[in-house]
Amino acid sequence: DAKTTQPPSMDCAEGRAANLPCNHSTISGNEYVYWYRQIHSQGPQYIIHGLKNNETNEMASLIITEDRKSSTLILPHATLRDTAVYYCIVMEYGNKLVFGAGTILRVKS
Amino acid sequence: NAGVMQNPRHLVRRRGQEARLRCSPMKGHSHVYWYRQLPEEGLKFMVYLQKENIIDESGMPKERFSAEFPKEGPSILRIQQVVRGDSAAYFCASSLDRLGVQSPLHFGNGTRLTVT
Repeated sequence: DAKTTQPPSMDCAEGRAANLPCNHSTISGNEYVYWYRQIHSQGPQYIIHGLKNNETNEMASLIITEDRKSSTLILPHATLRDTAVYYCIVMEYGNKLVFGAGTILRVKS
Repeated sequence: NAGVMQNPRHLVRRRGQEARLRCSPMKGHSHVYWYRQLPEEGLKFMVYLQKENIIDESGMPKERFSAEFPKEGPSILRIQQVVRGDSAAYFCASSLDRLGVQSPLHFGNGTRLTVT
């Protein structure tokens, strides 16, 4: 079962930052936070992951709170093509990804 | 680099027939995972394989479903005697190493199975 809680849906204006929250209050010390997204009818796409430090790559930034009980995925300048279902997953090394319901992000012009 | 390749993209089978879904992992990847997504539902883990070995099949239905990842060639998910409830999108993913810090999963675009 998924160990995370995400809002079912969010809207974001094109060009603005999209901030997607995730609660994982039962996360253990050796579990990572992963973010994937699924654009309609495509396979899930890896975005970013982290353990306790904030992470940034060409797609997004991941902010993890100091107590690690929640995190935020930031898409700095959302475009229409970022409309997708975003999944926050906590997982221990070597285990399998368990997908929850995710957050439907709608980017609107 | 070619990504994870799945074929066919769409597969139509009549009830009782067999369905074979193929997955070629990314180059150099020896770990393969299969997921199923039923209509309007989330992704469910089915099976994790490493070359020639099934590591975790906890999500596989007990009957009619099998998976293999031979030493040479693609991974195959086989569904025997398909029923309408098997209609779904089946996604394959691969990783360089056991899923973890250095090896996120890379997914293919799936095979959409329709059972008539």
